[in-house]
Amino acid sequence: TQLLEQSPQFLSIQEGENLTVYCNSSSVFSSLQWYRQEPGEGPVLLVTVVTGGEVKKLKRLTFQFGDARKDSSLHITAAQPGDTGLYLCAGAFDPGTASKLTFGTGTRLQVTL
Amino acid sequence: EAQVTQNPRYLITVTGKKLTVTCSQNMNHEYMSWYRQDPGLGLRQIYYSMNVEVTDKGDVPEGYKVSRKEKRNFPLILESPSPNQTSLYFCASSLYAWSGYSNQPQHFGDGTRLSIL
Repeated sequence: TQLLEQSPQFLSIQEGENLTVYCNSSSVFSSLQWYRQEPGEGPVLLVTVVTGGEVKKLKRLTFQFGDARKDSSLHITAAQPGDTGLYLCAGAFDPGTASKLTFGTGTRLQVTL
Repeated sequence: EAQVTQNPRYLITVTGKKLTVTCSQNMNHEYMSWYRQDPGLGLRQIYYSMNVEVTDKGDVPEGYKVSRKEKRNFPLILESPSPNQTSLYFCASSLYAWSGYSNQPQHFGDGTRLSIL
C-alpha cells in the first residue's frame, strides 16, 4: 500500500498569516488532488495536478506539484477564518485506475481572528 | 442537483446486527467507492466499483461487502458489525475510472456516522 504523509497534522494561525501544507510519498503519483473537508460534510475537490512542476492558483491558494511527482504543497496567503477545515491530499498511483485514490492523513487548519 | 446521497446519516447499533448503508448518485458516474475516516488514519478505501457488476477490494475490506447491480447505487453491507467498525463512512463517485481521465474529481456524500456497541 502506498503511503501519503501530510505535514503538519495541525495548524492554528491568526487571520492574515501565510501557511504551507505538505504532502509527500515515496512513490510517483500519476496525478494528485487536494480536497477540503468541513465538519459534517464530505471532502470537496480544490484542485488536480498532473504534470511534474505544475503550479495552480485558486484565489489565495497556490498548489505545487513536485518535479519528480512524489510531493506536493498547498500554500495559503493571508489566511481567513473561512479557510478553516481539514485539508487532504489524495494521490492516484496507477494511471490505469485513475480514480482509485490514496488519501493522506490530513492537515487540520484553524484560522482565528 | 448533482449529488451523492448516503443513508442513514447516523446509526447506533449493536454487535452482530446486520446493517446496510445505502449510497446513490444521480450523475451517471461509472466509478463509486466507499471510505472510512478515523482520527489519525485519514480516509481509507474499503471497496470500489469500476462499473456495474465490477467491484474490488480497497485497502481495508475485511468485515464489509458491497454490490453494484445498478449504476447509481452502491450499498455497503456489514454482515456482522463489530465495535472496530465504528467510524465515519463516506461514499464517493467519479465520472470515469480508467486511464486517460486522470483529472477525475471525486464527489463525496455527507457521510454516515456508525457506532457499533
